[in-house]
Amino acid sequence: QQQVKQSPQSLIVQKGGISIINCAYENTAFDYFPWYQQFPGKGPALLIAIRPDVSEKKEGRFTISFNKSAKQFSLHIMDSQPGDSATYFCAARIKAAGNKLTFGGGTRVLVKP
Amino acid sequence: NAGVTQTPKFQVLKTGQSMTLQCAQDMNHEYMSWYRQDPGMGLRLIHYSVGAGITDQGEVPNGYNVSRSTTEDFPLRLLSAAPSQTSVYFCASSSLTGYTFGSGTRLTVV
Repeated sequence: QQQVKQSPQSLIVQKGGISIINCAYENTAFDYFPWYQQFPGKGPALLIAIRPDVSEKKEGRFTISFNKSAKQFSLHIMDSQPGDSATYFCAARIKAAGNKLTFGGGTRVLVKP
Repeated sequence: NAGVTQTPKFQVLKTGQSMTLQCAQDMNHEYMSWYRQDPGMGLRLIHYSVGAGITDQGEVPNGYNVSRSTTEDFPLRLLSAAPSQTSVYFCASSSLTGYTFGSGTRLTVV
């Protein structure tokens, strides 16, 4: 049973375009929602994160939108660049349950020049 | 600043062999965990630890064993390797404010 569902599985966007990745969760005990970026042969690296009492967080070209009532959150990559080509994972954490992360299935993003 | 160090980076095992994947962190984090990454399935939690001497099972623990004798080290043992354990394994170290992942071990079981 996948507690965090991520879509789409893959995404192709032109340079300068907007990449949008969506995630949905069921467990209302999740208290922290990070996004990770992973390049081939590397471990995931934290990109941006949000807590459920905030509806939006922006860091540079990356924005998380969070809808608590719908139990959904999304990552928007503005002005996408070829260097953004990577796999992106959403995740959710329950601090009280050992600080464990539950990951979505991942989205492979390709930015065409 | 090493962060999380995993060894080896690559390993090929024969079915039935045992081995230990090593993980060490130098950030004095209480929490450590092991994930496996398979195509289309994201990262799935194998085992985790909330401190030295304390470990617990994650989502996919079967066939794996862990121990946490020190804050720094969290080895993952494969007791009798099976082809289904072919995967990329990531160790992570975390505080309540963030996670740091190692660079991974690519394991192939033939």
